[in-house]
Amino acid sequence: NAGVMQNPRHLVRRRGQEARLRCSPMKGHSHVYWYRQLPEEGLKFMVYLQKENIIDESGMPKERFSAEFPKEGPSILRIQQVVRGDSAAYFCASSPIGQETQYFGPGTRLLVL
Amino acid sequence: GQQVMQIPQYQHVQEGEDFTTYCNSSTTLSNIQWYKQRPGGHPVFLIQLVKSGEVKKQKRLTFQFGEAKKNSSLHITATQTTDVGTYFCAGRSGGSNYKLTFGKGTLLTVNP
Repeated sequence: NAGVMQNPRHLVRRRGQEARLRCSPMKGHSHVYWYRQLPEEGLKFMVYLQKENIIDESGMPKERFSAEFPKEGPSILRIQQVVRGDSAAYFCASSPIGQETQYFGPGTRLLVL
Repeated sequence: GQQVMQIPQYQHVQEGEDFTTYCNSSTTLSNIQWYKQRPGGHPVFLIQLVKSGEVKKQKRLTFQFGEAKKNSSLHITATQTTDVGTYFCAGRSGGSNYKLTFGKGTLLTVNP
């Protein structure tokens, strides 16, 4: 049973470009969470999604950031017009229905030049 | 909003010494989870504590949840070099069954 998969593992973008981060949850998991981690910081909740639904996006910046979890395919975290402050590790986690434990993927390290 | 504070931020020990990290929440928690993240890695779930005053052990690791469900600790006995990493606590408040608020973590380094 493969774990949570994220790609790319490393992403370099120039200011103003778009970044697309993908997350495939563990098999059988229908809940996906995105977190951002700045250097030497804890993880900050961004958004919680179920298939085709955004349940809670209270941690998402109001502008430039969006997330989706379509019926088919991975969850996508999209950052438009990236700025240097977006450089961070972005982790996706998944959980099955009715369970509180979240299983984390390997993360995408985004570097904005 | 809910805040989770963790101390110390860094801890360096000699192999064989004990280690403890403490976690305090500004609000009462419904449960608390602990994660370990190796350098360059991702958080790996260690344990969840739910009951007031709960104590759980995993080999050399002992986890405690305070009576008031606002604080928790992780104690490692006789550290080994494989224990190196950042230990995070993450709390859930009663209003949410999914949103985790993470502490900033304690980075443990072990001198062989």
